[in-house]
Amino acid sequence: DTEVTQTPKHLVMGMTNKKSLKCEQHMGHRAMYWYKQKAKKPPELMFVYSYEKLSINESVPSRFSPECPNSSLLNLHLHALQPEDSALYLCASHPTGGDTQYFGPGTRLTVL
Amino acid sequence: SQQGEEDPQALSIQEGENATMNCSYKTSINNLQWYRQNSGRGLVHLILIRSNEREKHSGRLRVTLDTSKKSSSLLITASRAADTASYFCATPLTGGFKTIFGAGTRLFVKA
Repeated sequence: DTEVTQTPKHLVMGMTNKKSLKCEQHMGHRAMYWYKQKAKKPPELMFVYSYEKLSINESVPSRFSPECPNSSLLNLHLHALQPEDSALYLCASHPTGGDTQYFGPGTRLTVL
Repeated sequence: SQQGEEDPQALSIQEGENATMNCSYKTSINNLQWYRQNSGRGLVHLILIRSNEREKHSGRLRVTLDTSKKSSSLLITASRAADTASYFCATPLTGGFKTIFGAGTRLFVKA
């Protein structure tokens, strides 16, 4: 299995909702990432997990809460989001010692 | 701030023509990578060039790297409509997990 999967593909939520994004990979990669991407912009790093521990938090607002329950799974919990948080959320993984990131197809999030 | 800058921002060509896009970066690198992103989808890794390499080929792709100028170029030869996508250069920061992506070039290949 050489892919990263993300669910859901699309998500529409109100500002008072709580929702979660899910990312899964079975390539044995021990580094997993969340990126946010606005239209016509490059991906912006949000969080990095290494060996299930949070290694990098790029000063992301607390309304985004990451979780790495095991080496294959990465979640992003969303609460009280703002309309400006609408974006494509990309998950990626990275093999230990490797240089290439493997991206999932993304979740298109719309906050109303 | 983004380390990589790309030009052009957008490029429109006819099928069969070659497409060249350029990337500049600011700090020392171990390698530079190029990714493709189809509209609204995830990024796909295309090619990696190491800092001690000057040129690399993969199918219709040719990448060059000039570390003295801190720049790289991606050439797509004999372009196809299916090459329509955004292309990003990416430079992993040494010693960590961060990768800095360039602003991207949007390529449109007309059939």
